[in-house]
Amino acid sequence: QSALTQPASVSGSPGQSITISCTGTSSDVGNNDYVSWYQQHPGKAPKLMIYAVFNRPSGVSNRFSGSKSGNTASLTISGLQAEDEADYHCSSYTSSNTLVFGGGTKLTVL
Amino acid sequence: EVQLVESGGGSVQPGGSLRLSCEASGFTFSSDWMHWVRQVPGEGPVWVSRINSDGSSTTYADSVRGRFTISRDNAKNTLYLQMNSLRAEDTAVYYCARGLAVAPRSTLNIWGQGTTVTVSS
Repeated sequence: QSALTQPASVSGSPGQSITISCTGTSSDVGNNDYVSWYQQHPGKAPKLMIYAVFNRPSGVSNRFSGSKSGNTASLTISGLQAEDEADYHCSSYTSSNTLVFGGGTKLTVL
Repeated sequence: EVQLVESGGGSVQPGGSLRLSCEASGFTFSSDWMHWVRQVPGEGPVWVSRINSDGSSTTYADSVRGRFTISRDNAKNTLYLQMNSLRAEDTAVYYCARGLAVAPRSTLNIWGQGTTVTVSS
């Protein structure tokens, strides 16, 4: 199972919006609606930000939103804040009953 | 407070074995699916294995199937990962994680702090 494809890095200024893409195949992202997004600060464990494509866990800011079209899922962060600077990872359930992650995207807040 | 604490990591030679543990607290461990995920610093996470709430069903990534065994002791609120025939490419930080109740196979809503495994001669 190959990793999902994410851009290595994205950047934006405070207050702006950015979008991170996550491209898979018809065996994972395009196969079901179990796409999740995780935020990871340096030296910390990942934190769930979005699940089932667009759902936010309790406590996650509504500045974070998710969507999906075909084999590509997206995470949008609006009103960028300095604390959003982190690595972001997508994941998808697969048709093989496993879980696959992306390679991660480093978000820099300028 | 919901918490997962991993232990058992360390340095081992290729071909060796290690058993990781993950002690859970603050939630009903016996009700939840649990996962192991590993991550090489600077890279994305890689899913390793999953076990259902009563331990009757397990699933593995192709890269570890036949070498790693996931198990749990619900009486001790503890998850395990027995790792045999270790290879250099198994070197990573290993996290245990709790499956989200509404999507336990696919979504990890609580993660431990990780334990480091290094396989080197």
